[in-house]
Amino acid sequence: DSGVTQTPKHLITATGQRVTLRCSPRSGDLSVYWYQQSLDQGLQFLIQYYNGEERAKGNILERFSAQQFPDLHSELNLSSLELGDSALYFCASSSLAGGLNEQFFGPGTRLTVL
Amino acid sequence: ILNVEQSPQSLHVQEGDSTNFTCSFPSSNFYALHWYRWETAKSPEALFVMTLNGDEKKKGRISATLNTKEGYSYLYIKGSQPEDSATYLCASNNAGNMLTFGGGTRLMVKP
Repeated sequence: DSGVTQTPKHLITATGQRVTLRCSPRSGDLSVYWYQQSLDQGLQFLIQYYNGEERAKGNILERFSAQQFPDLHSELNLSSLELGDSALYFCASSSLAGGLNEQFFGPGTRLTVL
Repeated sequence: ILNVEQSPQSLHVQEGDSTNFTCSFPSSNFYALHWYRWETAKSPEALFVMTLNGDEKKKGRISATLNTKEGYSYLYIKGSQPEDSATYLCASNNAGNMLTFGGGTRLMVKP
């Protein structure tokens, strides 16, 4: 158990809908990362927050947004969902913002868009 | 766009065999190289974070080396056990906060 929690574990929804994925980092970790794992692709970095502020942005679609709250939990919002958004979404946390620190991954949220 | 490549894509070995796989990454603006172990139905778990050229790290039967000048890292597993079966991911951090992951090497160890 990494100490990172994600909810829900599974989510099934229809095209055009909007969903929110939630992540609570390990106690004491200020940095939260979101990744997408699709069937045909490796882990793709989406976005990083550090202590409430956006730190780095990867291949995140404009339909997706995220935020980190004062209690350090983070939410990833996916809107106008398409079939291709079906994927495993991971959240990871680390103590600092830089790339020197190992990241601790949550169990993931499996999103299925029908 | 960074390209992190891992080879082979998959590997089947017998219990007791030693094995190794490769991660190649861009050497420009290199900052750190991460190795993760990802078991089926679980989440990736950090093995090593390496930064210095020539660095070598070890955790039990698993070790890794790093060559930042030519942009590659090797992961070695000595005396593979069935519980070593997993996908091994490497990820490169090049002058930023984001990690770029390779496609992984899927290792299957037969008893």
